[in-house]
Amino acid sequence: SQKIEQNSEALNIQEGKTATLTCNYTNYSPAYLQWYRQDPGRGPVFLLLIRENEKEKRKERLKVTFDTTLKQSLFHITASQPADSATYLCARANQAGTALIFGKGTTLSVSS
Amino acid sequence: DGGITQSPKYLFRKEGQNVTLSCEQNLNHDAMYWYRQDPGQGLRLIYYSQIVNDFQKGDIAEGYSVSREKKESFPLTVTSAQKNPTAFYLCASSRKGQGDSNQPQHFGDGTRLSIL
Repeated sequence: SQKIEQNSEALNIQEGKTATLTCNYTNYSPAYLQWYRQDPGRGPVFLLLIRENEKEKRKERLKVTFDTTLKQSLFHITASQPADSATYLCARANQAGTALIFGKGTTLSVSS
Repeated sequence: DGGITQSPKYLFRKEGQNVTLSCEQNLNHDAMYWYRQDPGQGLRLIYYSQIVNDFQKGDIAEGYSVSREKKESFPLTVTSAQKNPTAFYLCASSRKGQGDSNQPQHFGDGTRLSIL
């Protein structure tokens, strides 16, 4: 079955540094990977979608990469700020393409 | 403003009681989803619906039921058969595109269910 894993449960960095979060998947390569942000007590908010053939995608201070050889996506936040502190989730499609499978998330804490 | 609304925000269930969580969207999305989130766990799919009057079981459907009589609404009932219902429940919706996997999901702000 398809799995998606975010190996780090927590990541602590200092303000201004680049945060790098990892998402690994098993079995066949999904056509898309999605990244979400979740704040405590709130629902996830969609951030970025990257297609299999895009390799890299950027949005303001966010950058996502997709490496089909390593079966991995990296999510970078440059010039991190305390307001970036949240849990970040990656997701891939199930085999039927009808729903998403989410990783457990990585909780990022940015200290000033 | 378009969005997805879940109610109530907090809900308490007595032993042997069924409770229904509401989810309404005005985004004109075809697909809707219910997830359960437990501490330290990812989102686990309970049920999903791609079209009115049709829905499919997710990974953890036992003890839950849904209906999809209107495009805008996808209520979830937590039945007494669900022995461990305490969790954070999230509803989401998305456009139905070329396979749903490429469509971002829009989430409500959840209902936290506890047992009395």
